[in-house]
Amino acid sequence: DTGVSQDPRHKITKRGQNVTFRCDPISEHNRLYWYRQTLGQGPEFLTYFQNEAQLEKSRLLSDRFSAERPKGSFSTLEIQRTEQGDSAMYLCASSSSPGGYGYTFGSGTRLTVV
Amino acid sequence: GENVEQHPSTLSVQEGDSAVIKCTYSDSASNYFPWYKQELGKRPQLIIDIRSNVGEKKDQRIAVTLNKTAKHFSLHITETQPEDSAVYFCAASNANRDDKIIFGKGTRLHILP
Repeated sequence: DTGVSQDPRHKITKRGQNVTFRCDPISEHNRLYWYRQTLGQGPEFLTYFQNEAQLEKSRLLSDRFSAERPKGSFSTLEIQRTEQGDSAMYLCASSSSPGGYGYTFGSGTRLTVV
Repeated sequence: GENVEQHPSTLSVQEGDSAVIKCTYSDSASNYFPWYKQELGKRPQLIIDIRSNVGEKKDQRIAVTLNKTAKHFSLHITETQPEDSAVYFCAASNANRDDKIIFGKGTRLHILP
């Protein structure tokens, strides 16, 4: 499969626990984006990597959120001390072109905080 | 930063009729406008895009128009079919700044039999 892979597909966690999601982009894509999507809303930008460098973080990304992309390949998004408001679909996208051309999305990780 | 507004939030059309979804954007420097289709439980998929150097683009039953002066762009689907039922998102970015895409809130399109 040469698409964008996200793991896990679903995660149910108790409030206050930490969770980590993984995204494997298309191998030749150097740009990787994380978005959050809640029910009935469009994807909201969280953060963006070009290779291993995190170039931009949204104000939506509180101190409890951290993202990494070591070696410029896969990326992880960690949420510490989860809250019910963190329940959402977390989408990863990758591209090889600047400015949003050629975004390919993964299937997402659906997080439910109980 | 960029803000993208999308209307309507829900749209129902009879099968075979046309559907139009409209978006506005705030950043006059935006120059790339993709449209994504998201079926229930699936990932958003690019269906058509337009760059600021053209006013209209067509691909079979779908077309997009762009009015840079008014900062409006629209998606037109003709001869709608049941498989067109989905949520559609408009989006905008500034490719010159190597910017991320900002999405509208989406339009849920229902095709009625």
